[in-house]
Formats: sequence, structure tokens, C-alpha cells
Amino acid sequence: DAKTTQPNSMESNEEEPVHLPCNHSTISGTDYIHWYRQLPSQGPEYVIHGLTSNVNNRMASLAIAEDRKSSTLILHRATLRDAAVYYCILGGGSQGNLIFGKGTKLSVKP
Amino acid sequence: GAGVSQSPSNKVTEKGKDVELRCDPISGHTALYWYRQSLGQGLEFLIYFQGNSAPDKSGLPSDRFSAERTGGSVSTLTIQRTQQEDSAVYLCASSRMVGRGGYGYTFGSGTRLTVV
Repeated sequence: DAKTTQPNSMESNEEEPVHLPCNHSTISGTDYIHWYRQLPSQGPEYVIHGLTSNVNNRMASLAIAEDRKSSTLILHRATLRDAAVYYCILGGGSQGNLIFGKGTKLSVKP
Repeated sequence: GAGVSQSPSNKVTEKGKDVELRCDPISGHTALYWYRQSLGQGLEFLIYFQGNSAPDKSGLPSDRFSAERTGGSVSTLTIQRTQQEDSAVYLCASSRMVGRGGYGYTFGSGTRLTVV
């Protein structure tokens, strides 16, 4: 399985941007980069995914390095409701299921 | 439906009993996945289904666990002779396609199983 590396935890202040990093040096050419988040006592929630180009949606932006060996999830203005565990996952290729790691626990301070 | 529906939301069972957990995926989603999450832990993959193909059962922890998907839609996860270590939240997800990586998963709210 292609692996990802994320910091265990990060802190942010409310209304400030947050950059959540992810390293995936063994990514293959067909792997998509997925981000999910899990709020306390809830199932994971899809955030964003991409292959090569940067992606934007209403929740976040995904910046993918040119060599695709790392990516950054960007929350433009953190709110208290963004406090969650954020998972960076590689999907695609020959393996259909997403393998979740430990993720980054994001705390947001008012 | 609008989302992935799981039932029951909570289940308490006695050790040694069998339990069935149900998942209704989003209409039109061909792929369905089961994960479990023990308290304070990450998600553990169990099994996935893609259309009428044979399921990938590589994540099932023992032969007490089985799952089926009828008509390419509803799925049931069965745990026989439950043990206390089976206590966890069982999460179901669906997506449009498996193996391509380009489609996001939608998760249900999970079934919290407690074995006493």
C-alpha cells in the first residue's frame, strides 16, 4: 500500500488559514490524493481529492507538489467547526479501498 | 436516498450472540465499503464490494465476520459469536466506482456495537 505521513496534531487560531501537510513519497502515477476529515463522534467526511493539478472546492483547497510526493490541504479561514482529525489518503491504482492512517488532529482556538 | 443509511445506530449484544448490521448505500453507487473504528483508534478496512464482482475480504479479522450485498445495493455485515473485542463503531461507505481512485466516498453515521 502507498503510505502517507502526516503530523499527529496541529493547532490553529480561529479565522486564520491552516495548512495541513502530507508526504507521500511512494505515490504511483495512478494514485489520487484524497482528504477526509472526521469530526468527534461522526463518520469521516469527504473534503477534497486530486491527481496532479491543484483543486479548489467550497470546503478547502488542495495544493499538490509538482513531483506529487507531497500535498497540502488548505483551510482558508478556520472555524471552531473545523476541529477534527484530517486524513490524507492515496487511492486508485490496483487497490480499490482507501487505507486510513492516523491523520492529523486539528485543534482550533477561539 | 440522499446519504448512506446504517441501522441500527446502536446495538448492545451479549457475548456469543450473532449480530447483523445493515447498510443502505447511495442510489447508483456501485462500490460499497465496510470499516470499523475502535474507541480512539483509526479506521480499519474490513471489506469492499464492486458491482457484481467478488468482494475483497482481505480486511476481515476472522471467519466470524462475513458480509453480503444483495442486488448490488443493500449490504449486511454479520458477526457470529461476538466477542468483547468486536465492540467498535462499524462504518459503511459507498462511492461511484472502485479501483479508479477518482471518486470520493460518502460515509454513513455508523453502528456503535457494544458486546457485554
